[in-house]
Amino acid sequence: DTEVTQTPKHLVMGMTNKKSLKCEQHMGHRAMYWYKQKAKKPPELMFVYSYEKLSINESVPSRFSPECPNSSLLNLHLHALQPEDSALYLCASSQEPHTSGQFFGPGTRLTVL
Amino acid sequence: EDQVTQSPEALRLQEGESSSLNCSYTVSGLRGLFWYRQDPGKGPEFLFTLYSAGEEKEKERLKATLTKKESFLHITAPKPEDSATYLCAVQGAPGYGQNFVFGPGTRLSVLP
Repeated sequence: DTEVTQTPKHLVMGMTNKKSLKCEQHMGHRAMYWYKQKAKKPPELMFVYSYEKLSINESVPSRFSPECPNSSLLNLHLHALQPEDSALYLCASSQEPHTSGQFFGPGTRLTVL
Repeated sequence: EDQVTQSPEALRLQEGESSSLNCSYTVSGLRGLFWYRQDPGKGPEFLFTLYSAGEEKEKERLKATLTKKESFLHITAPKPEDSATYLCAVQGAPGYGQNFVFGPGTRLSVLP
């Protein structure tokens, strides 16, 4: 299995809602990542998990809360988001952190009303 | 601060017309330079990793090269299905500013 899967594909939420994005990989990769991508812009790194521990948090607001339940799963919990948080949220994984190419999932298109 | 720039911003080629995309970077302690292809509305697709100056990688019509300041993605005899945004990214040494950053990308259109 050489895929990174993400659910849901689309999500619409109000500013008071709590929701979660899910990501899964079965390639035995030891690093997993969350990115945010706005239209016509490159992906921006949000979080890095290395061997199931949070190793990088790129000054992301606390309304985004990552979680890595095990080596195959990565969640992003969302609470009290703002309309400007609407974007494509991408999950990726790599064999090793920092030095291996990353494999991306298809993304979750998030709209905050 | 680590920076990655790409040129041109957009490129239109006729099918079969070879060309090169440029990625220039300034980073402390380069640990890797990565090329990706991204189709609209999809996640980036990993193409190559380059680790040191002088290194080259090839895959079908694509060839990536690396110097101490820039990388080139050469596209030989492109086909319409090569149309996409091509992104480069650099990984610097942890503790030296941003760890992993993408360039803005080059939008490639190959016309039949």
